Amino acid sequence: GIQVEQSPPDLILQEGANSTLRCNFSDSVNNLQWFHQNPWGQLINLFYIPSGTKQNGRLSATTVATERYSLLYISSSQTTDSGVYFCAVDMRFGAGTRLTVKP
Amino acid sequence: EPEVTQTPSHQVTQMGQEVILRCVPISNHLYFYWYRQILGQKVEFLVSFYNNEISEKSEIFDDQFSVERPDGSNFTLKIRSTKLEDSAMYFCASSSRGAWVDEQFFGPGTRLTVL
Repeated sequence: GIQVEQSPPDLILQEGANSTLRCNFSDSVNNLQWFHQNPWGQLINLFYIPSGTKQNGRLSATTVATERYSLLYISSSQTTDSGVYFCAVDMRFGAGTRLTVKP
Repeated sequence: EPEVTQTPSHQVTQMGQEVILRCVPISNHLYFYWYRQILGQKVEFLVSFYNNEISEKSEIFDDQFSVERPDGSNFTLKIRSTKLEDSAMYFCASSSRGAWVDEQFFGPGTRLTVL
């Protein structure tokens, strides 16, 4: 099956900093989503992005399907951005990036 | 905004007991899914369901698991004889079109604890 790898596994930022999270996948993609898992365990949809670029406020995402990667950008990070960010490709999740934003 | 709901939020059971986890998908969605997440680990796909049939399942989804859409609104996951290693968060998801072509929306999860 498809392999999904996320990097970095952990990221610590000061409030206000920008960050880039990466998702690599091993095969052609039909469906790619980014999620934020909040401290209560809920999976919050961020982007459905099998290809192209999307933006939503301080967050944006880009998927380059031909090169088998997707990037999630977080700008001007806030403490509420803390949590685990998952990339899911064709129903297979990566191991996530744990983001901690310090005040 | 429509959302997926799951009940109960937390279920505690004894090893060997049967449990049924319930989900109400978004009303106009036709494709339903179950995932699980063992504490501290990644989310794992269990099964997808469409038109009253399993359309895909993972190697985790063995004979102790079953899914059902007993009526027009509910979607259930049954674990026949629970094991300690079944302790996890179980997420239900739904989409209006198939998993390969559409965004999935997740419920808040049911935390299953097997003692």
